Amino acid sequence: ETGVTQSPTHLIKTRGQQVTLRCSSQSGHNTVSWYQQALGQGPQFIFQYYREEENGRGNFPPRFSGLQFPNYSSELNVNALELDDSALYLCASSQRTSRTGELFFGEGSRLTVL
Amino acid sequence: GENVEQHPSTLSVQEGDSAVIKCTYSDSASNYFPWYKQELGKGPQLIIDIRSNVGEKKDQRIAVTLNKTAKHFSLHITETQPEDSAVYFCAAIGGGADGLTFGKGTHLIIQP
Repeated sequence: ETGVTQSPTHLIKTRGQQVTLRCSSQSGHNTVSWYQQALGQGPQFIFQYYREEENGRGNFPPRFSGLQFPNYSSELNVNALELDDSALYLCASSQRTSRTGELFFGEGSRLTVL
Repeated sequence: GENVEQHPSTLSVQEGDSAVIKCTYSDSASNYFPWYKQELGKGPQLIIDIRSNVGEKKDQRIAVTLNKTAKHFSLHITETQPEDSAVYFCAAIGGGADGLTFGKGTHLIIQP
């Protein structure tokens, strides 16, 4: 069974740029969630995708957007990067929505915005 | 929305002793309460969870208790071992929300 994989593991961007982060969900999972984890903080829910549609969103502005593909892999896109976007971005997959099922997290993509 | 408070932020215990981490939540509609362990450089891993229709759940050295009236839940680790050293997060979800709300984490240090 292949776990959740994320790429890239680390990246550095400058303010105003755009970034795309990628996630391959665990085999058999059809739901992907994205979380932002600032240094020393707990993860914060960005949004969730189920069957290629956004199925819920946290308190993040529209410049955070996502996609889910037919193979259940996913992308997180962030436009107009700000310094406060520096964080670890975690992808999690599950078999059902996160209301009822265990989330399996990847190891994250660490984004630094200069 | 939901708000989860977690205490303490750092907990240091002697190997073999017990550790207790406490969380409170604000949304009485929350009905699922997982606990995650995060080791350095890794993503969070579920260690135990509890649903609102259960008061206590045990899995070997780990137990979680839930008091719905008081809106708090706790993680208990007995006979702590060096590999228990990590950051632990509590979380809650329910009431129509689609994502987990996490606490700020507890850095558990096991002293040899």
